[in-house]
Amino acid sequence: AQKVTQAQTEISVVEKEDVTLDCVYETRDTTYYLFWYKQPPSGELVFLIRRNSFDEQNEISGRYSWNFQKSTSSFNFTITASQVVDSAVYFCAASGSARQLTFGSGTQLTVLP
Amino acid sequence: DTGVSQDPRHKITKRGQNVTFRCDPISEHNRLYWYRQTLGQGPEFLTYFQNEAQLEKSRLLSDRFSAERPKGSFSTLEIQRTEQGDSAMYLCASRKTSGGHTGANVLTFGAGSRLTVL
Repeated sequence: AQKVTQAQTEISVVEKEDVTLDCVYETRDTTYYLFWYKQPPSGELVFLIRRNSFDEQNEISGRYSWNFQKSTSSFNFTITASQVVDSAVYFCAASGSARQLTFGSGTQLTVLP
Repeated sequence: DTGVSQDPRHKITKRGQNVTFRCDPISEHNRLYWYRQTLGQGPEFLTYFQNEAQLEKSRLLSDRFSAERPKGSFSTLEIQRTEQGDSAMYLCASRKTSGGHTGANVLTFGAGSRLTVL
């Protein structure tokens, strides 16, 4: 089973600032996957990114980037040049031998104009 | 395809009543999941189906809860004798199995069915 901790409950930034969302995970699986989902006020969870446990290469996709470090069991997510439309709850999640996703408690991001 | 559909979007009921939620997954997706999300928390796994077979149930799924997927397409989640603690958002998600690692889930979620028990 996995456990996912998102210590930041709420974050507020001003538009165009960069913001990093923290995620720490626990798992006994040697093969596992980590995810970030976004939940806007409409309620529908939207998939953003997925990484597997064998690939620690950090990547950038548009304004999104992530930092996966197995040594610290962290999978942090950064939005550069934040926009008001980025305001949402962001969830980190993990899956491994279990067939379902285990989610963290989420971070409410508010981007102020 | 319009994604995962859930109905109703909102349901208000009195304690003790039964409620049923419906989920229509993406048509080619053979796996269907139900999650529950309470205010300020992340989604919690309830159960999942592969085609019509219910393969796993969480301990959160008490005997008042029952889920079905009779023809391997849409699914229903029924809650009998609702309690105020059942108030939550019930999320449905689906995916297509690809033969890769079982943990490589990328679930597509519906917008959820919000239940309020008075």
